[in-house]
Formats: sequence, C-alpha cells, structure tokens
Amino acid sequence: NAGVTQTPKFQVLKTGQSMTLQCAQDMNHEYMSWYRQDPGMGLRLIHYSVGAGITDQGEVPNGYNVSRSTTEDFPLRLLSAAPSQTSVYFCASSYSGQISNYGYTFGSGTRLTVV
Amino acid sequence: EDQVTQSPEALRLQEGESSSLNCSYTVSGLRGLFWYRQDPGKGPEFLFTLYSAGEEKEKERLKATLTKKESFLHITAPKPEDSATYLCAVRSNQAGTALIFGKGTTLSVSS
Repeated sequence: NAGVTQTPKFQVLKTGQSMTLQCAQDMNHEYMSWYRQDPGMGLRLIHYSVGAGITDQGEVPNGYNVSRSTTEDFPLRLLSAAPSQTSVYFCASSYSGQISNYGYTFGSGTRLTVV
Repeated sequence: EDQVTQSPEALRLQEGESSSLNCSYTVSGLRGLFWYRQDPGKGPEFLFTLYSAGEEKEKERLKATLTKKESFLHITAPKPEDSATYLCAVRSNQAGTALIFGKGTTLSVSS
C-alpha cells in the first residue's frame, strides 16, 4: 500500500521552462489537492479535485494547471516557471466524506527550484 | 475570512520538560480542527481531529484540546524523537473541502 506517491522528489528548472509534477494515490480517494509550502507562509492550496473530471482553484492557482482524468492521478503543470514558484509542493488526498474524520494523507513532497 | 495562527513559531525544550503549543482560529462554522506532525523533508502526518469545544484526544505523550477560539497541543515529558514541526489546520463551512493551515510550530527537544 504505497499511499500518495509524488515524483520527482527534487527538480531544478530554468525560468520559462515547463514541467509536470506527478501525484498518484492507490487508496481510491475521491478528493485530491496540491499545496505549496514556503518558509513563513505555511501550506497554501493551489488546486483541488473532488473526483475524476472535476477540478477547482484554491488560494494560489496562478501559473499552475491541473487535470483529473482518473481517480488515481492528479498531475500539476507549471506552464512557464518563475523564481516565485520555488517551493516545496505537496499532494494530498482523502475520501471526500471522511475529510473531517481523518484529514488528508500527504505525499512526501517535491522540492522545486527555479533559477 | 478563515484564519489560523500558531504560537510560538519555535520552541526549545529539555527532555522531560512539558509544554503546550497554541492554535488560535477564526472560521465561519468549524467542521474540524486538525493537528499534523511534519518531520524535515517529509509530508505532514495526521495526528488528531477535534470537532467541538471541550473535546480532548490523546496519543502517547501528546494531548490535544479544543475551545471555541483555540486549540492546545500539550506535550508531556517530551523526548528528542518528538522534535518536529506541528501544524494546525481547520475545515470550515466557507472553505468546503479545503483545509486552512497555520504556519506551524517547530519543536526541538534536547537530551
């Protein structure tokens, strides 16, 4: 039982490059989300999905794109990387009806540096 | 707007020295208050959920309590392995499925 798997663990991008951060979960969770964590800022919601084919914006969506074609996968796309997107990115998932009982299950994170 | 404030930002304790971490919140209809533990280089790990004022939950040396305005995470006789960042988050009627996180308290326990 792998839980939430994020790849890659580390990535360095040049300004303007694009890339996709991968997130996969094997728990059949309907709810998936992406957060970024910056020093002194806490975790901030980027995008989330309540099921396959359904996505919505969170607090800081600009510069990011998501899609949810399957229950298991929720990739995060950086369209044109900027230094302000240097951060640690976490994917999280949950059963939609159990969020208030168990919160989220988090992946181990992707540390992204944009130079 | 939903807000979560944690204090102190950092806390240094000696092994066995009990203390408490604070999480103050302002939300439009609380649907759950969550405590997570985060070790360096790892994702947050779920500890507790609290729903209503007066509720308490315990796990080993940790005890979480909830009032109408704040939550406390009490650490009794901490050990070095309790060193981590502790995150507080809330779920509210306004935020829907999203959790709103505080900035965390980094706890260091020395032997």
